[in-house]
Amino acid sequence: DGGITQSPKYLFRKEGQNVTLSCEQNLNHDAMYWYRQDPGQGLRLIYYSQIVNDFQKGDIAEGYSVSREKKESFPLTVTSAQKNPTAFYLCASKASGASDTQYFGPGTRLTVL
Amino acid sequence: QQQVKQSPQSLIVQKGGISIINCAYENTAFDYFPWYQQFPGKGPALLIAIRPDVSEKKEGRFTISFNKSAKQFSLHIMDSQPGDSATYFCAASKSGGFKTIFGAGTRLFVKA
Repeated sequence: DGGITQSPKYLFRKEGQNVTLSCEQNLNHDAMYWYRQDPGQGLRLIYYSQIVNDFQKGDIAEGYSVSREKKESFPLTVTSAQKNPTAFYLCASKASGASDTQYFGPGTRLTVL
Repeated sequence: QQQVKQSPQSLIVQKGGISIINCAYENTAFDYFPWYQQFPGKGPALLIAIRPDVSEKKEGRFTISFNKSAKQFSLHIMDSQPGDSATYFCAASKSGGFKTIFGAGTRLFVKA
Protein backbone atom coordinates (compact mmCIF):
# COMPACT_ATOMS: atom_id res chain seq x y z
CA ASP A 1 0.00 0.00 0.00
CA GLY A 2 1.87 3.03 -1.28
CA GLY A 3 1.75 6.38 0.41
CA ILE A 4 3.24 8.90 2.79
CA THR A 5 3.30 8.39 6.52
CA GLN A 6 3.90 11.05 9.13
CA SER A 7 4.44 10.43 12.78
CA PRO A 8 3.35 11.19 15.32
CA LYS A 9 -0.13 12.50 14.56
CA TYR A 10 -0.08 14.75 17.63
CA LEU A 11 3.02 16.09 19.36
CA PHE A 12 3.33 18.19 22.47
CA ARG A 13 6.56 19.85 23.50
CA LYS A 14 7.71 22.39 26.01
CA GLU A 15 8.93 25.77 24.81
CA GLY A 16 12.66 25.77 24.09
CA GLN A 17 12.88 22.10 23.13
CA ASN A 18 13.82 20.86 19.69
CA VAL A 19 11.45 18.33 18.15
CA THR A 20 11.73 16.12 15.04
CA LEU A 21 8.78 15.22 12.83
CA SER A 22 9.01 12.07 10.76
CA CYS A 23 8.03 11.71 7.11
CA GLU A 24 8.41 8.47 5.14
CA GLN A 25 7.24 7.65 1.60
CA ASN A 26 7.23 4.41 -0.36
CA LEU A 27 6.14 5.97 -3.65
CA ASN A 28 9.70 6.06 -4.99
CA HIS A 29 9.36 9.83 -5.43
CA ASP A 30 12.47 11.94 -5.82
CA ALA A 31 11.10 15.22 -4.46
CA MET A 32 9.85 15.76 -0.92
CA TYR A 33 8.42 18.82 0.81
CA TRP A 34 7.50 20.21 4.21
CA TYR A 35 4.66 22.70 4.58
CA ARG A 36 3.28 24.52 7.56
CA GLN A 37 -0.46 25.17 7.77
CA ASP A 38 -1.98 27.80 10.03
CA PRO A 39 -5.68 28.68 10.10
CA GLY A 40 -6.62 30.90 7.18
CA GLN A 41 -3.07 31.04 5.78
CA GLY A 42 -2.98 28.12 3.40
CA LEU A 43 0.17 26.10 2.91
CA ARG A 44 3.57 27.70 3.40
CA LEU A 45 6.68 25.94 2.14
CA ILE A 46 9.37 25.32 4.76
CA TYR A 47 11.93 23.17 2.93
CA TYR A 48 12.04 20.95 -0.12
CA SER A 49 14.39 18.33 -1.47
CA GLN A 50 14.75 17.35 -5.11
CA ILE A 51 17.12 14.43 -4.56
CA VAL A 52 18.93 12.61 -1.77
CA ASN A 53 21.53 14.67 0.10
CA ASP A 54 20.19 17.92 -1.34
CA PHE A 55 17.57 20.35 -0.03
CA GLN A 56 16.56 23.99 -0.42
CA LYS A 57 14.96 26.54 1.85
CA GLY A 58 11.37 27.45 1.20
CA ASP A 59 9.56 30.63 2.16
CA ILE A 60 9.65 30.18 5.95
CA ALA A 61 12.79 28.11 6.70
CA GLU A 62 13.97 30.10 9.73
CA GLY A 63 13.89 27.99 12.88
CA TYR A 64 13.64 24.69 10.99
CA SER A 65 16.16 22.16 9.71
CA VAL A 66 15.91 19.06 7.53
CA SER A 67 17.99 16.17 6.25
CA ARG A 68 17.62 13.85 3.27
CA GLU A 69 19.93 10.89 3.80
CA LYS A 70 17.55 8.39 2.21
CA LYS A 71 15.14 8.72 -0.69
CA GLU A 72 12.26 7.50 1.47
CA SER A 73 12.78 9.80 4.43
CA PHE A 74 12.72 13.57 4.96
CA PRO A 75 12.58 14.43 8.69
CA LEU A 76 11.91 17.98 9.86
CA THR A 77 13.37 19.40 13.07
CA VAL A 78 11.61 22.33 14.67
CA THR A 79 14.24 24.11 16.70
CA SER A 80 13.94 26.39 19.69
CA ALA A 81 14.71 29.29 17.33
CA GLN A 82 11.27 28.97 15.73
CA LYS A 83 9.26 31.75 17.35
CA ASN A 84 5.78 30.29 16.97
CA PRO A 85 6.02 26.56 16.23
CA THR A 86 2.47 25.52 17.10
CA ALA A 87 0.93 24.51 13.76
CA PHE A 88 -0.15 21.65 11.51
CA TYR A 89 2.80 20.27 9.54
CA LEU A 90 2.35 18.52 6.24
CA CYS A 91 4.85 16.44 4.31
CA ALA A 92 4.43 15.85 0.58
CA SER A 93 6.24 14.10 -2.24
CA LYS A 94 6.30 14.30 -6.02
CA ALA A 95 7.68 12.14 -8.78
CA SER A 96 10.22 13.63 -11.17
CA GLY A 97 9.46 14.11 -14.82
CA ALA A 98 6.01 14.55 -16.29
CA SER A 99 3.95 14.25 -13.11
CA ASP A 100 3.30 17.56 -11.35
CA THR A 101 1.01 16.30 -8.60
CA GLN A 102 2.13 16.50 -4.99
CA TYR A 103 0.92 13.76 -2.66
CA PHE A 104 0.44 14.68 0.98
CA GLY A 105 0.79 12.78 4.20
CA PRO A 106 -1.84 12.93 6.98
CA GLY A 107 0.00 15.67 8.88
CA THR A 108 1.39 16.19 12.38
CA ARG A 109 -0.17 18.68 14.75
CA LEU A 110 2.52 20.20 16.93
CA THR A 111 1.57 22.07 20.06
CA VAL A 112 4.22 23.88 22.06
CA LEU A 113 3.21 24.48 25.65
CA GLN B 1 4.52 37.19 -9.68
CA GLN B 2 4.47 34.05 -7.61
CA GLN B 3 1.12 34.51 -5.88
CA VAL B 4 -2.11 32.64 -6.41
CA LYS B 5 -5.08 34.59 -5.09
CA GLN B 6 -8.11 32.56 -4.02
CA SER B 7 -11.63 33.68 -3.15
CA PRO B 8 -13.85 33.52 -1.26
CA GLN B 9 -12.23 32.67 2.05
CA SER B 10 -15.35 30.81 3.15
CA LEU B 11 -18.53 29.67 1.44
CA ILE B 12 -21.87 28.35 2.66
CA VAL B 13 -24.02 26.55 0.10
CA GLN B 14 -27.33 24.76 0.38
CA LYS B 15 -27.40 21.05 -0.41
CA GLY B 16 -27.96 20.60 -4.13
CA GLY B 17 -26.59 24.04 -4.98
CA ILE B 18 -23.51 25.03 -6.96
CA SER B 19 -20.30 25.93 -5.15
CA ILE B 20 -17.91 28.21 -7.03
CA ILE B 21 -14.36 29.02 -5.94
CA ASN B 22 -12.14 31.35 -7.93
CA CYS B 23 -8.38 31.71 -8.31
CA ALA B 24 -6.12 34.12 -10.14
CA TYR B 25 -2.44 33.81 -10.90
CA GLU B 26 0.22 36.19 -12.16
CA ASN B 27 3.07 34.10 -13.51
CA THR B 28 2.36 33.18 -17.14
CA ALA B 29 4.98 30.41 -16.92
CA PHE B 30 2.57 28.34 -14.81
CA ASP B 31 1.03 25.53 -16.84
CA TYR B 32 -0.42 23.11 -14.29
CA PHE B 33 -3.39 24.08 -12.13
CA PRO B 34 -4.59 21.53 -9.58
CA TRP B 35 -7.30 21.75 -6.96
CA TYR B 36 -6.83 19.98 -3.63
CA GLN B 37 -9.50 18.98 -1.11
CA GLN B 38 -8.68 18.81 2.58
CA PHE B 39 -10.87 17.43 5.36
CA PRO B 40 -10.24 18.54 8.97
CA GLY B 41 -7.17 16.90 10.48
CA LYS B 42 -6.15 15.29 7.18
CA GLY B 43 -3.66 16.08 4.45
CA PRO B 44 -4.84 17.65 1.16
CA ALA B 45 -5.64 15.28 -1.69
CA LEU B 46 -5.72 16.03 -5.40
CA LEU B 47 -9.29 16.57 -6.59
CA ILE B 48 -8.93 17.63 -10.21
CA ALA B 49 -6.32 19.41 -12.34
CA ILE B 50 -6.13 21.23 -15.66
CA ARG B 51 -3.49 22.37 -18.13
CA PRO B 52 -3.89 25.53 -20.26
CA ASP B 53 -4.49 23.66 -23.53
CA VAL B 54 -8.16 23.19 -22.56
CA SER B 55 -10.69 25.67 -21.16
CA GLU B 56 -12.69 23.21 -19.13
CA LYS B 57 -12.29 19.85 -17.45
CA LYS B 58 -15.06 17.88 -15.80
CA GLU B 59 -14.85 14.92 -13.45
CA GLY B 60 -18.19 13.88 -12.05
CA ARG B 61 -19.70 16.81 -10.15
CA PHE B 62 -16.43 18.78 -10.23
CA THR B 63 -15.51 21.10 -13.09
CA ILE B 64 -12.52 23.39 -13.60
CA SER B 65 -13.00 26.38 -15.88
CA PHE B 66 -9.82 27.99 -17.15
CA ASN B 67 -9.41 31.45 -18.71
CA LYS B 68 -5.85 31.82 -19.97
CA SER B 69 -6.15 35.42 -21.12
CA ALA B 70 -7.54 36.54 -17.77
CA LYS B 71 -5.14 34.30 -15.85
CA GLN B 72 -8.02 32.92 -13.83
CA PHE B 73 -9.43 29.49 -13.08
CA SER B 74 -12.32 28.30 -11.00
CA LEU B 75 -13.75 25.18 -9.40
CA HIS B 76 -17.45 24.45 -9.76
CA ILE B 77 -19.06 21.80 -7.57
CA MET B 78 -22.46 20.86 -8.95
CA ASP B 79 -25.18 19.37 -6.74
CA SER B 80 -23.13 20.15 -3.63
CA GLN B 81 -23.44 17.61 -0.82
CA PRO B 82 -22.74 17.82 2.93
CA GLY B 83 -19.85 15.40 2.33
CA ASP B 84 -18.21 18.07 0.15
CA SER B 85 -17.74 20.26 3.23
CA ALA B 86 -13.97 20.72 3.35
CA THR B 87 -11.23 23.23 2.61
CA TYR B 88 -10.32 23.61 -1.05
CA PHE B 89 -6.97 24.88 -2.28
CA CYS B 90 -6.15 25.96 -5.78
CA ALA B 91 -2.52 25.78 -6.87
CA ALA B 92 -0.22 26.51 -9.77
CA SER B 93 3.11 25.20 -10.93
CA LYS B 94 5.38 24.96 -13.93
CA SER B 95 5.59 21.54 -15.57
CA GLY B 96 8.75 19.73 -14.55
CA GLY B 97 9.39 22.23 -11.80
CA PHE B 98 9.60 21.46 -8.12
CA LYS B 99 7.64 24.20 -6.44
CA THR B 100 3.86 24.54 -6.29
CA ILE B 101 2.22 27.80 -5.25
CA PHE B 102 -0.97 27.34 -3.24
CA GLY B 103 -3.89 29.67 -2.74
CA ALA B 104 -4.95 30.54 0.80
CA GLY B 105 -7.84 28.07 0.77
CA THR B 106 -11.65 28.22 0.84
CA ARG B 107 -13.64 26.64 3.63
CA LEU B 108 -16.82 25.21 2.12
CA PHE B 109 -19.80 24.27 4.25
CA VAL B 110 -22.75 22.57 2.57
CA LYS B 111 -25.95 22.82 4.60
CA ALA B 112 -28.19 19.77 4.64
